[in-house]
Amino acid sequence: GENVEQHPSTLSVQEGDSAVIKCTYSDSASNYFPWYKQELGKGPQLIIDIRSNVGEKKDQRIAVTLNKTAKHFSLHITETQPEDSAVYFCAASMKGEYGNKLVFGAGTILRVKS
Amino acid sequence: EAGVTQSPTHLIKTRGQQVTLRCSPISGHTSVYWYQQALGLGLQFLLWYDEGEERNRGNFPPRFSGRQFPNYSSELNVNALELEDSALYLCASSRVTPGGGNTIYFGEGSWLTVV
Repeated sequence: GENVEQHPSTLSVQEGDSAVIKCTYSDSASNYFPWYKQELGKGPQLIIDIRSNVGEKKDQRIAVTLNKTAKHFSLHITETQPEDSAVYFCAASMKGEYGNKLVFGAGTILRVKS
Repeated sequence: EAGVTQSPTHLIKTRGQQVTLRCSPISGHTSVYWYQQALGLGLQFLLWYDEGEERNRGNFPPRFSGRQFPNYSSELNVNALELEDSALYLCASSRVTPGGGNTIYFGEGSWLTVV
């Protein structure tokens, strides 16, 4: 069935360290993998996404890697800062009867300690 | 360009009542999605509308319903409210592109408290 597993559920890092969040998906036809950041009391904001025709994408301190063979993708945040503290969600597109829909992981609470 | 807008931002209802939540998508987006986020939990898919039609539905009872209007705005209706319906209701929108992989953008949500 449609499933996206996300690990870890909580992650604490020291300011300046790196943080890595991992997701696996079940549908081998998935071709789009976005990551969202949700701050307290706000809606999720898209921070980076990757499509199945590339293996890695970077945007300043944030990078995402994709391994289609293993059906696995990861978010990497380098030089973490206190403002990176939030809940992060991964998602994968899943094919439905009328097109693709996004299925989300359960989320990771990231705490950056200063 | 305005993002996805939702109203109301907060509301309190009594168990058994009905509620209507509203969403305006980003200009040019034809798809609208509704998600429920209960406290401490992830994003649970509720409904997906595109071009006025319901395209997909999550694992929620029939008292959760909605519609999409010709201007692509959408309403989510919840009847016979239960305490466990208390949650943040998020609306998102996207364009529809061949092959899928549509980027969706979320609004700030409507906080519903059922007492």
